[in-house]
Amino acid sequence: EVQLVESGGGLVKPGSSLKLSCVASGFTFSSYGMHWIRQAPKKGLEWIALIYYDSSNKYYADSVKGRFTISRDNSKNTLYLEMNSLRSEDTAMYYCAKWDGSYDYFDYWGQGVMVTVSS
Amino acid sequence: DTVLTQSPALAVSPGERVSISCRASEGVNSYMHWYQQKPGQQPKLLIYKASNLASGVPARFSGSGSGTDFTLTIDPVEADDTATYFCQQSWNDWTFGGGTKLELK
Repeated sequence: EVQLVESGGGLVKPGSSLKLSCVASGFTFSSYGMHWIRQAPKKGLEWIALIYYDSSNKYYADSVKGRFTISRDNSKNTLYLEMNSLRSEDTAMYYCAKWDGSYDYFDYWGQGVMVTVSS
Repeated sequence: DTVLTQSPALAVSPGERVSISCRASEGVNSYMHWYQQKPGQQPKLLIYKASNLASGVPARFSGSGSGTDFTLTIDPVEADDTATYFCQQSWNDWTFGGGTKLELK
């Protein structure tokens, strides 16, 4: 059974940093690209970052480019999202998602971790 | 960015058929996917590449469309289908529709 478990969220002040983790199990993590997607309270979904299976390529939404960094450690089956210079508009539930690169969709999602940016 | 437009909400009675639409601001070929999100839960894949049923999803769910107009159909609707349904395109980066909240009468 595929499982994705996020952690590392919390309440932080504007301008601060936070690092999210997503531990994967139930599939060969090192063979799949992974995404981060977020959902602001009572809002829709926003894709924010993709990392290829071997970290060879990384892509970011304009809204987080230069502030967020996606990375992974295949030896630990873990995906990361390092978030710097956080703003109030970054307040959201953050989901990691497994990527089906064949038809380019998100086939499994974690339960999400909440990040709140507020003074 | 490719903008996906969905109706905000629908209300149907159990046993009826419901169609949820998604319109793209530009053609996305057949790279449209559908997700179900129940309150307090993560999204769950229902349909991929416009019309392909994801593993474990009941055959009551189906998808159709290509280009700019897509439809998710549930027939018949069951009480457990109360949720928000999102479309998502992957032809031009990755964007989501605003979601359609399905309520049962």
